[in-house]
Amino acid sequence: QKEVEQNSGPLSVPEGAIASLNCTYSDRVSQSFFWYRQYSGKSPELIMSIYSNGDKEDGRFTAQLNKASQYVSLLIRDSQPSDSATYLCAVTPPGRRALTFGSGTRLQVQP
Amino acid sequence: EPEVTQTPSHQVTQMGQEVILRCVPISNHLYFYWYRQILGQKVEFLVSFYNNEISEKSEIFDDQFSVERPDGSNFTLKIRSTKLEDSAMYFCASRGGEESPLHFGNGTRLTVT
Repeated sequence: QKEVEQNSGPLSVPEGAIASLNCTYSDRVSQSFFWYRQYSGKSPELIMSIYSNGDKEDGRFTAQLNKASQYVSLLIRDSQPSDSATYLCAVTPPGRRALTFGSGTRLQVQP
Repeated sequence: EPEVTQTPSHQVTQMGQEVILRCVPISNHLYFYWYRQILGQKVEFLVSFYNNEISEKSEIFDDQFSVERPDGSNFTLKIRSTKLEDSAMYFCASRGGEESPLHFGNGTRLTVT
């Protein structure tokens, strides 16, 4: 079983819609969770970090964590064409310092 | 805002040659990392470095790879004898605390011919 799983997409949404990106992880006791955005040919850029169950909002972005279900999601409200990118979910497995990344979900926001 | 700096942005080398990729992490960060991303694939962990020693490494980080922090600011990744399959984007990252987010540099695109 992969440590961090994401649907590769592409996920296509119209401009102004809500984009919902999902991620599951295999190790129940993982503690820290991150969403990164990666434009083609560029480095990952941090969007959100979340450490406890529930929702965390930052501008148009909301991260949701459910440790019981081993599930973390990212909602993007009022999606813009500039949000078109690959979104990477990353988890710190227990006993490790390194982040493990999922393969990413490609988001396309249609004007 | 402080950032992680990587040089060069693109390195072309012949198979069997040694390469050194350079990074300047954010100045007050304590944990340093190298990741790589082969074109079209996921971001893969190579090695982490803390307190002047390797704290963790992946299966990819074999004897051909080494890391060094030669002074108070630079963090380098050396590949002793490059192979075609080492062609990838190499990212340096740093973080201030053990659970803090990673901050990535812009990457070095390594092309082995």
